[in-house]
Amino acid sequence: QKEVEQNSGPLSVPEGAIASLNCTYSDRGSQSFFWYRQYSGKSPELIMFIYSNGDKEDGRFTAQLNKASQYVSLLIRDSQPSDSATYLCAVPYSGGGADGLTFGKGTHLIIQP
Amino acid sequence: SAVISQKPSRDICQRGTSLTIQCQVDSQVTMMFWYRQQPGQSLTLIATANQGSEATYESGFVIDKFPISRPNLTFSTLTVSNMSPEDSSIYLCSVEGSEAKTLYGYTFGSGTRLTVV
Repeated sequence: QKEVEQNSGPLSVPEGAIASLNCTYSDRGSQSFFWYRQYSGKSPELIMFIYSNGDKEDGRFTAQLNKASQYVSLLIRDSQPSDSATYLCAVPYSGGGADGLTFGKGTHLIIQP
Repeated sequence: SAVISQKPSRDICQRGTSLTIQCQVDSQVTMMFWYRQQPGQSLTLIATANQGSEATYESGFVIDKFPISRPNLTFSTLTVSNMSPEDSSIYLCSVEGSEAKTLYGYTFGSGTRLTVV
């Protein structure tokens, strides 16, 4: 059974600062990793995916993957109040095939104006 | 990515009854997934629905309680049977983001908020 661990928070970050969210996973065979954002009462929204070691940048978001240490992180630069949400880390069940996802419990992020 | 229509968006049901949730996708997809999100919790995969074959259920979920239909490549239903208050959750349908499979992520429907009284 794959496990995905996240600090549930809340993580409080001042507006304009960098928010750093972390996730560790148990299965070394995992090949792709996803970050979802979920606003209260809404369904999850995919914001980043990464499958190679190193960094992947998309606008204010940067995903970082370290397979040797089995962690993946999400950095949000110039944090805005609209970034306040729960961020979910997820890995595919099979490690790379077209299967469902195992989710972490999510980190509740609060951006303080 | 695919657009998913899920209904009903919410319902309040009596214990012992059943509710069928529908998920319609605007494009053909091989696999559709059903998740449950209990209050204050993360998402848990219930089952994977394949067209033309039986759904594959995850540990802790059984077909008698959560029967699934997948009559074609754009539609699926999940039934929550013989409901109890413990079934009060948000149920979400999900599909792969594109024909390129996993690398491009998964899209979720808007969810069905179920309350059992």
